[in-house]
Amino acid sequence: SAVISQKPSRDICQRGTSLTIQCQVDSQVTMMFWYRQQPGQSLTLIATANQGSEATYESGFVIDKFPISRPNLTFSTLTVSNMSPEDSSIYLCSVVPGTGKAFFGQGTRLTVV
Amino acid sequence: QKEVEQNSGPLSVPEGAIASLNCTYSDRVSQSFFWYRQYSGKSPELIMSIYSNGDKEDGRFTAQLNKASQYVSLLIRDSQPSDSATYLCAVNTHGQNFVFGPGTRLSVLP
Repeated sequence: SAVISQKPSRDICQRGTSLTIQCQVDSQVTMMFWYRQQPGQSLTLIATANQGSEATYESGFVIDKFPISRPNLTFSTLTVSNMSPEDSSIYLCSVVPGTGKAFFGQGTRLTVV
Repeated sequence: QKEVEQNSGPLSVPEGAIASLNCTYSDRVSQSFFWYRQYSGKSPELIMSIYSNGDKEDGRFTAQLNKASQYVSLLIRDSQPSDSATYLCAVNTHGQNFVFGPGTRLSVLP
């Protein structure tokens, strides 16, 4: 398994501002995944963060809105930029270690007012 | 477009009954299948994985896989109120990319 520390756990932000979410993993992993979960919905993959290369974004998500950093094999950040109320959601980071099973951070509950 | 489908529920069962959760997937080459439990306000927690046709049992949980029918199910025996949660079906076709279903909300009534 993998233990992922994600922070902040929740935040209330003003529209137009940015929030950076951090994830720290207790072991080295090649890829880290960032998901969004809107109220009552399932998980939507935002992007895959690879160490040493640009993140890969899914359709509908762009780097200018969700810039990602991956400075090493145990850490990644996701920034939600120029926020609007539509960005209110839970954001989750995930890793898939050698077992092939996905593990998640505790999630960040974001409210944009 | 790879899809994973589940009934959204809510599925209500009395305490002590068997809860049956179903999932279908579209990508025939999918290889790994998972069930996650998500309590309200919490992140998903892995409860079962299954890779080959048939049944896999772990305590009160049994996962069933039928690749020919592209169907995965989760049975929860002796359901408890603490089992009340949303259950997400997830499919992995290759590599580390997972596709999650919309989840089924289970309510176990005391």
